[in-house]
Amino acid sequence: ETGVTQTPRHLVMGMTNKKSLKCEQHLGHNAMYWYKQSAKKPLELMFVYSLEERVENNSVPSRFSPECPNSSHLFLHLHTLQPEDSALYLCASSQKGTAGGTSTDTQYFGPGTRLTVL
Amino acid sequence: ILNVEQSPQSLHVQEGDSTNFTCSFPSSNFYALHWYRWETAKSPEALFVMTLNGDEKKKGRISATLNTKEGYSYLYIKGSQPEDSATYLCAFREYGNKLVFGAGTILRVKS
Repeated sequence: ETGVTQTPRHLVMGMTNKKSLKCEQHLGHNAMYWYKQSAKKPLELMFVYSLEERVENNSVPSRFSPECPNSSHLFLHLHTLQPEDSALYLCASSQKGTAGGTSTDTQYFGPGTRLTVL
Repeated sequence: ILNVEQSPQSLHVQEGDSTNFTCSFPSSNFYALHWYRWETAKSPEALFVMTLNGDEKKKGRISATLNTKEGYSYLYIKGSQPEDSATYLCAFREYGNKLVFGAGTILRVKS
């Protein structure tokens, strides 16, 4: 167990549905991430939240909407997805260095949500 | 765009064999290099983080080396066991920047 949980583990949805992915970390970290992994491709960073503020959005389509209500929880809201959005979505957390400090920023991952869009 | 390359893409070995794989990354603006192990249906697990040229890290039968000047890292597994079967990911980080992952090396160890 890495201390990062994700629900659901599997999700099948139609293109007109709205669903949400949930991530929770029990490590006391101050940063959380969403990654996408499509078949045979490297992990792609989607969003980064540091101290509950979104600090990175890697040109992700607006049909993906992240939410970070507190430092332990991260959501990814999905609406009107396309079949090509089918992938494994991984959440991660890390402890980022504070101002003046350094951190190697090792990220701890959840097991992922396998999403299929029909 | 940063490029992190891993080779080989996949590897099949017999139990007891030793093996190694390579991660290549940009040699400029280096900050850290991470190795992860990812078993099917589980979370990627952090193995090593290396920051200094010449770093060597070891965890049981698994070890890693780092050459930041030429931009590569090797991961070695001594005496492979079936439980070592997994995808091994490396990730490169520039200072103050995000992690960029390679596509991984899939290792299958046959008993």
